[in-house]
Amino acid sequence: DGGITQSPKYLFRKEGQNVTLSCEQNLNHDAMYWYRQDPGQGLRLIYYSQIVNDFQKGDIAEGYSVSREKKESFPLTVTSAQKNPTAFYLCASSLQGAWNTGELFFGEGSRLTVL
Amino acid sequence: AQKVTQAQTEISVVEKEDVTLDCVYETRDTTYYLFWYKQPPSGELVFLIRRNSFDEQNEISGRYSWNFQKSTSSFNFTITASQVVDSAVYFCALSAGGNNRLAFGKGNQVVVIP
Repeated sequence: DGGITQSPKYLFRKEGQNVTLSCEQNLNHDAMYWYRQDPGQGLRLIYYSQIVNDFQKGDIAEGYSVSREKKESFPLTVTSAQKNPTAFYLCASSLQGAWNTGELFFGEGSRLTVL
Repeated sequence: AQKVTQAQTEISVVEKEDVTLDCVYETRDTTYYLFWYKQPPSGELVFLIRRNSFDEQNEISGRYSWNFQKSTSSFNFTITASQVVDSAVYFCALSAGGNNRLAFGKGNQVVVIP
């Protein structure tokens, strides 16, 4: 089935460690996005990429890094510089930029807990 | 800057009652898109509707309906005859200025009690 796969679903990390969240899509979408969701905060954009080998910072990029070496993959690294990394992370993709279609397809999310 | 406000945080209704979710947006752009997404307990967001700023027609899709009013910068969402499966978090979102990103509201948690 076509869709977006995020892994792992649950992740625990000790303070000071970097972790990488995986996001893979087989929808042949050009654009991919990472959002962070906190209780009562809605979704906030971390990074987005409209094409392979290119990505832009979103509203809360500090402490995060991404890469887009392949069209179908957009991994997110949560670095030790991120002060409050415990959150629910959602990856999404769209056929074109959200401006054109607005229809984002989301994965089921990864819940990161820092111990 | 774009901003979306969803005032009610949690709404509880008894099954078969109607529920209306308010969404107020802010943008200086004259061309923009508005969206509603549903987030069930499984976590992934599901796209429900897109409306552009030039189309103020209200829309009905089954038990869902949307009321877009530019004069009040609102894009409200109504679920008619609610069902337990409607229990979810609903997000309103805005895309404006030609940039490829959505600004989301904080979401409304809808709880339908059987």
